[in-house]
Amino acid sequence: EVQLVESGGGLVSPGGSLRLSCVASGFTFSSYEMNWVRQAPGKGLEWISYISTGDPLKTYAASVRGRFTISRDNAKNSLYLQMSSLRVEDTAVYYCARETYDALTRQIFLDHWGQGALVTVSS
Amino acid sequence: DIQMTQSPSSLSASVGDRVTITCRASQNINTFLNWYQQKPGKAPRLLIYAASSLQSGVPSRFSGGGSGTDFTLTITSLEPEDFASYYCQQTYSHPRTFGQGTKVDI
Repeated sequence: EVQLVESGGGLVSPGGSLRLSCVASGFTFSSYEMNWVRQAPGKGLEWISYISTGDPLKTYAASVRGRFTISRDNAKNSLYLQMSSLRVEDTAVYYCARETYDALTRQIFLDHWGQGALVTVSS
Repeated sequence: DIQMTQSPSSLSASVGDRVTITCRASQNINTFLNWYQQKPGKAPRLLIYAASSLQSGVPSRFSGGGSGTDFTLTITSLEPEDFASYYCQQTYSHPRTFGQGTKVDI
């Protein structure tokens, strides 16, 4: 069974830093691209970051570029999101999500999600 | 960046109703369009990928259509468990943007 478990959320002051982790199980983690998606309270989903397999390509939403860093450790089946210079508007539930490429349709989608980690930025 | 616009933002429906949600991309995304369902306090769940392919385990009352810039998600006969929020997402290019969501309630 595919499982993604986030951890590392919590309360942090504006300007502070936090690192989220996502531990994967039930699939070959090193073979899959991964994403971070967040959801502010009462708001919709916002895609924020992507990392490829191997020698990783990393992409970011404009709202977090330069402040957040995505990384992975395939030996530990883990995905990370290092967040710095945090703002009140970064308050959200952060989800890690597995990205799958379907060879038949040649399409990409997020087919497994973690339960989410709540990050609250407040003084 | 590609902007995704869903309509309506919310709708009220009853069990047994047919419901259609639309999603419009700001540029041609071929069929690189996915639909997700999210219930309160839960992670999103993939329903439809590649605009019209049903994800394994998803009931056949859900269907998707469209290509290019205009897409639809249709629920042919609403069940009580379908009252939720629905999001489209494009995976044609980075950033992989979501629509703003459609809340389906009673």
